[in-house]
Amino acid sequence: AQSVTQLDSQVPVFEEAPVELRCNYSSSVSVYLFWYVQYPNQGLQLLLKYLSGSTLVKGINGFEAEFNKSQTSFHLRKPSVHISDTAEYFCAVSESSYDKVIFGPGTSLSVIP
Amino acid sequence: NAGVMQNPRHLVRRRGQEARLRCSPMKGHSHVYWYRQLPEEGLKFMVYLQKENIIDESGMPKERFSAEFPKEGPSILRIQQVVRGDSAAYFCASSPGVGHVELFFGSGTQLSVL
Repeated sequence: AQSVTQLDSQVPVFEEAPVELRCNYSSSVSVYLFWYVQYPNQGLQLLLKYLSGSTLVKGINGFEAEFNKSQTSFHLRKPSVHISDTAEYFCAVSESSYDKVIFGPGTSLSVIP
Repeated sequence: NAGVMQNPRHLVRRRGQEARLRCSPMKGHSHVYWYRQLPEEGLKFMVYLQKENIIDESGMPKERFSAEFPKEGPSILRIQQVVRGDSAAYFCASSPGVGHVELFFGSGTQLSVL
């Protein structure tokens, strides 16, 4: 069964600094990988997804992630964060387009002015 | 084009009562997922439904919880005889179906059990 680990529960970072949010997954088969963002009192929205092809995936709001199959990782990066990026970020995995999506525990990103 | 609609936003129940949470998927979406979110925890998968069919309910507690997605109308998550431990945010997501991997989420229902 697939699972997702997000090693950092909280990440504080200063405005305009770069950030990396870590995600590792376990699965016995090929996977689809996702990053979702949740702003306070809202549902989740998709930042980016990896289905196949290029291992570097670009998403909305300047975020990108790199799929590393050998390390079973899918870390999220942004070169310069804004105050508005303060939110909860969830990494997720699915083994197929007709399978459930499993979420990690989330990383709370706090951008400090 | 309305998104995923969940109601109510907030639901307060006393122990032993029933809670009914509703989810209307996006137009054209035939698959619905329910997740539970507890403070300081991620989203826990509960159930995955297609119209009139449960595809995966491996995350549903064996007792008191049930879900349906009828041919007409919203999907319903039903919790009977609620206990304080059921207090959580419940999120619904929808997708167009097989071949589509992106989930579209509602704003959630916050259930509080007194």
